[in-house]
Amino acid sequence: DADVTQTPRNRITKTGKRIMLECSQTKGHDRMYWYRQDPGLGLRLIYYSFDVKDINKGEISDGYSVSRQAQAKFSLSLESAIPNQTALYFCATSDVLAGEVDEQFFGPGTRLTVL
Amino acid sequence: KQEVTQIPAALSVPEGENLVLNCSFTDSAIYNLQWFRQDPGKGLTSLLLIQSSQREQTSGRLNASLDKSSGRSTLYIAASQPGDSATYLCAGPYSSASKIIFGSGTRLSIRP
Repeated sequence: DADVTQTPRNRITKTGKRIMLECSQTKGHDRMYWYRQDPGLGLRLIYYSFDVKDINKGEISDGYSVSRQAQAKFSLSLESAIPNQTALYFCATSDVLAGEVDEQFFGPGTRLTVL
Repeated sequence: KQEVTQIPAALSVPEGENLVLNCSFTDSAIYNLQWFRQDPGKGLTSLLLIQSSQREQTSGRLNASLDKSSGRSTLYIAASQPGDSATYLCAGPYSSASKIIFGSGTRLSIRP
């Protein structure tokens, strides 16, 4: 079973709809991240969470919100989807071991299309 | 602004060649550095992580080095194979408490 899972894997929606993307992890990591990837723009950080009570905005948080329901779950919401939010969305996790930032692990991605 | 740059953006070489991918950061205070591979439309797979106290890591045909004084990391791929074709990304945080910043990637194509 995958360590980091994302649901749904693909979603087509219409402008103005509210969308939630979910991420679950079984790695026991405290840190979780949401990124979006667009052709030619690379990966951009939307939000990140260092633990359940610590949530931070990334580079492009406008139009998005997040919820860290538990250590293992981190959800991304688009309150009112717009076409330029069409992208590939990734969830990732990482941990800190003995003071060192450990590897980052990624989910398989959610392809979101907003019409 | 802290940035991570990868040059070249794309590279095509014949099978069997040894090659080097480059990653540089605007601030030499990069904390640690991770290399990833991404196949088209897929997620990122971690290849190597160079911790803050390390200078290089090796896994099979891959070797990654980190030179903090010059703000550079390289990924060396030995005896390249068509299956190595993918986009390679480097990323790192500037401290243990900061977010991870990604380069834009190098798209590698290995010709049979």
